Amino acid sequence: GAVVSQHPSWVICKSGTSVKIECRSLDFQATTMFWYRQFPKQSLMLMATSNEGSKATYEQGVEKDKFLINHASLTLSTLTVTSAHPEDSSFYICSASSGSGSNEQFFGPGTRLTVL
Amino acid sequence: QKEVEQDPGPLSVPEGAIVSLNCTYSNSAFQYFMWYRQYSRKGPELLMYTYSSGNKEDGRFTAQVDKSSKYISLFIRDSQPSDSATYLCAARTLSGYSTLTFGKGTMLLVSP
Repeated sequence: GAVVSQHPSWVICKSGTSVKIECRSLDFQATTMFWYRQFPKQSLMLMATSNEGSKATYEQGVEKDKFLINHASLTLSTLTVTSAHPEDSSFYICSASSGSGSNEQFFGPGTRLTVL
Repeated sequence: QKEVEQDPGPLSVPEGAIVSLNCTYSNSAFQYFMWYRQYSRKGPELLMYTYSSGNKEDGRFTAQVDKSSKYISLFIRDSQPSDSATYLCAARTLSGYSTLTFGKGTMLLVSP
């Protein structure tokens, strides 16, 4: 099956710093990548959708200047949390879709961000 | 009202029991229905995928969709302790790049 990796798997940072999370599709080309945030005991909330080579589409209520998304190639998307604050602490999960057939999304293992 | 509703549980069952997990949805445009399994601190893993109404079986797992009542079910036969996880239902429309709408997830605990 299709494999999606994320790096790092967990990160702790100080308030005010920026953190970059990478999402890679290892064995397929991902025309579309999605970024989700999941708080404890809550569902996955879609933050943004990105297509390779174009600007990301953000969901209502998600600050595009705070959560910078770059989808520079068909196998890599990055999410940068700028000027992180403790309330940004969460589990960030990416998924990738090849855009063919059923448009199935394959999820990465997630990145746990803790902002002190 | 959220578009996909799911009881968060937890649901505790003994090993070998038949498990029934359910979701309801409100958007009539949903055509694709999925069940994901998520272990603690891991990303979701696709278990079952159904288009429109009907049943789909894969080993010990059966997914059922009843569009007339907007009801989605996942049945697990002969449940195992390794099935202990959070199960998320999700749905999306027919549109090419439509996004997934997830339920909150139901935590399942299977005791040996």
